Amino acid sequence: GEDVEQSLFLSVREGDSSVINCTYTDSSSTYLYWYKQEPGAGLQLLTYIFSNMDMKQDQSLTVLLNKKDKHLSLRIADTQTGDSAIYFCAEASGGSYIPTFGRGTSLIVHP
Amino acid sequence: EADIYQTPRYLVIGTGKKITLECSQTMGHDKMYWYQQDPGMELHLIHYSYGVNSTEKGDLSSESTVSRIRTEHFPLTIESARPSHTSQYLCASSEQGADTQYFGPGTRLTVL
Repeated sequence: GEDVEQSLFLSVREGDSSVINCTYTDSSSTYLYWYKQEPGAGLQLLTYIFSNMDMKQDQSLTVLLNKKDKHLSLRIADTQTGDSAIYFCAEASGGSYIPTFGRGTSLIVHP
Repeated sequence: EADIYQTPRYLVIGTGKKITLECSQTMGHDKMYWYQQDPGMELHLIHYSYGVNSTEKGDLSSESTVSRIRTEHFPLTIESARPSHTSQYLCASSEQGADTQYFGPGTRLTVL
C-alpha cells in the first residue's frame, strides 16, 4: 500500500529557515498536503500542491515537489517560536482521494 | 474557518462503559472521517463515510462503530470501552473529490 515517510524531529533557531522533508511511494499521487497540528488541537491545512507542479509559494511557506524522486519539502522562512508544532505530510491519489498521512515531524524552535 | 466540532474534548471513563464520541460539521460536506492518533503522533484512519447511509472501515481495525443518518453528524460508538481504546480521536470532513480535509479539535479518551 501507500507509504509516507517523514523524519520525526527537527530543531531550529528562531529566525532561521526550517525545511521539513517527506517521501512517498505512490506514483499515482495527485495531491500532496502539509498540515500543522498544535498541542491539544486537530490538524490545520497549511498548503497543498498538485502533482503536476514543481513549486508553490504561499507567504512564508514554500513547497517543493520532486515527482521523479517522490520527495516533497516544506520550507518555513524566518521560523518563529509560534511555528513549533507537528507537521504532517499527506498524499492522495485518484479513486477514493482519502489522504495517507506520514507520522508527523515535530518542529522545535529555540529562542 | 472550518466549522467542525467534537464533543466531549476530554473523557475519562471506566472499563466496560458504552461511549459515544460526537462529531458534527456545518459545511455541508459529504465525506467524513474518524482517525485514531497514537501518543507517537501517527494518524490511523478507522472509519469514513461518503455521505448519508454510507459507512466504511478504514485501514486500522477498530472495535468502534459509526453511523451517518444526517449529513452533518458522524458519531462514533464504543460498546464496551477497554484501556486499549485510550487514544486521541480526530474527526474530519471534506467535499467530494480530492478536497481539503477539515479537522475537529479531537477527543482525548482515557479508559481506566
